[in-house]
Amino acid sequence: QVQLQESGPGLVKPSQTLSLTCTVSGASIDNINFYWSWIRQPAGKRLEWLGRIYSSGSTNDNPSLKSRVTMSVDASKNQYSLRLSAVTAADTAVYYCAIERGSGWVDHWGQGTLVTVSS
Amino acid sequence: DILMTQSPSSLSASVGDRVTFTCRASQNIGNYVNWYQQRAGKAPRLLIYAASTLQSGVPSRFSGSGSGTDFTLSISSLQPEDLATYYCQQSYSAPPTFGPGTTVDIK
Repeated sequence: QVQLQESGPGLVKPSQTLSLTCTVSGASIDNINFYWSWIRQPAGKRLEWLGRIYSSGSTNDNPSLKSRVTMSVDASKNQYSLRLSAVTAADTAVYYCAIERGSGWVDHWGQGTLVTVSS
Repeated sequence: DILMTQSPSSLSASVGDRVTFTCRASQNIGNYVNWYQQRAGKAPRLLIYAASTLQSGVPSRFSGSGSGTDFTLSISSLQPEDLATYYCQQSYSAPPTFGPGTTVDIK
């Protein structure tokens, strides 16, 4: 079955760049039916969609993040990545990688990884 | 962005009860609503997509309905494992947005 696993530092200093990687198993990152997404959830708050990357490499991101998001795909490793620049404490959250379908529902999620922004 | 609201914010019910909670969108979103269950410390799980289609593997006690701006998720007979927070999400327009959730507690 499809599995997603996030990896990356759990602690990032303010103003630095948060970097996370999602390793995909059970599905090919080249699958055009899957949209490779990132979603986060601050403690006790609602989920926030950050963006998605398609197998072609094109991306969409949430305008609320003011162009701080960069996403990429590494097909050779069946992985995709998120970079969020100029982080502040407000970026502290559990970050999920996820698979989004064409009509927008998310049917596979990673287990999530907590990223704390603190000096 | 489309604002999603949910009510109630929490509810407490007994095993076997029928529970219903609602989700409202700030504009007409057709049937582009999806529902997720999130147990404590876990990732969300898709329950319902396109307002009323049950995701594969989800128990049939879950059902969804609605269109336009008002949507409901129902659990026909509450089970202990349904202790969780339930989120609606609109996928009508970018960016996709989620509601604040309804937390279900078992009496």
